Amino acid sequence: DAGVTQSPTHLIKTRGQQVTLRCSPKSGHDTVSWYQQALGQGPQFIFQYYEEEERQRGNFPDRFSGHQFPNYSSELNVNALLLGDSALYLCASSLSSGANVLTFGAGSRLTVL
Amino acid sequence: AQRVTQPEKLLSVFKGAPVELKCNYSYSGSPELFWYVQYSRQRLQLLLRHISRESIKGFTADLNKGETSFHLKKPFAQEEDSAMYYCALSNNFNKFYFGSGTKLNVKP
Repeated sequence: DAGVTQSPTHLIKTRGQQVTLRCSPKSGHDTVSWYQQALGQGPQFIFQYYEEEERQRGNFPDRFSGHQFPNYSSELNVNALLLGDSALYLCASSLSSGANVLTFGAGSRLTVL
Repeated sequence: AQRVTQPEKLLSVFKGAPVELKCNYSYSGSPELFWYVQYSRQRLQLLLRHISRESIKGFTADLNKGETSFHLKKPFAQEEDSAMYYCALSNNFNKFYFGSGTKLNVKP
C-alpha cells in the first residue's frame, strides 16, 4: 500500500493563476481532508470530503474549492492565486467509520510568484 | 474558539535527559487530543492519542482537563527522537486543529 499519494510534489505559479492539486487516499479510506501548512506553522484545516461532498470547511475563502471522485480520490483547486497562498498543501485520509486518525501524504509545495 | 498552543518552537536536550513538550488547548466541548510527529524527510504521522493511553517509543501524554493541557513526556531522550512534534485536537469528524509545532533536538 503506497499510503496517501499527492501530485505534483512541487509547483510554481504566478499571482492570479489557478492551480489543481491531486490526492489519492490510503487504500480502504473514504474521507479526504486538505490542510495548508505555511512555513513555520502547523497544518491548518481547509476542508474535508466524504461521499463526494464537502462535509466540513475551515476558515478559507471561496477561492479554495475541492472535489472528491467516486474512487475517493480528491482535488484541491485554488483560483486567483495570491502570494500568501504559497505553502505546503497536505492531503490526509481517514475512515469515516474508523478511529479518528489521519494518514498524511507527503504534500504539494506551492510557490506563488 | 478552538486553539492549540505550543509555547516552545525549539527544545534542545542532551541524550538521556528527560523531555517535556508543552501543549495547551482551548475547545468548547470534549475534544480528542493527539501528538503527531514528523521525522526528517518523512511524512507527518501519528505518535499517540489520549484515548488509547498508550506509551509509544517511550513517550506518554496525560490529558489534564482542568489545566487544558496535553504535555508530551519521555524520561530519557534518544537521538532518534529528534523531530518536529505537533499537538492537535479534533472533534468527532476528523477535523483537526494543530499547534505550530516544537522542534526537538536531542544532542549526543
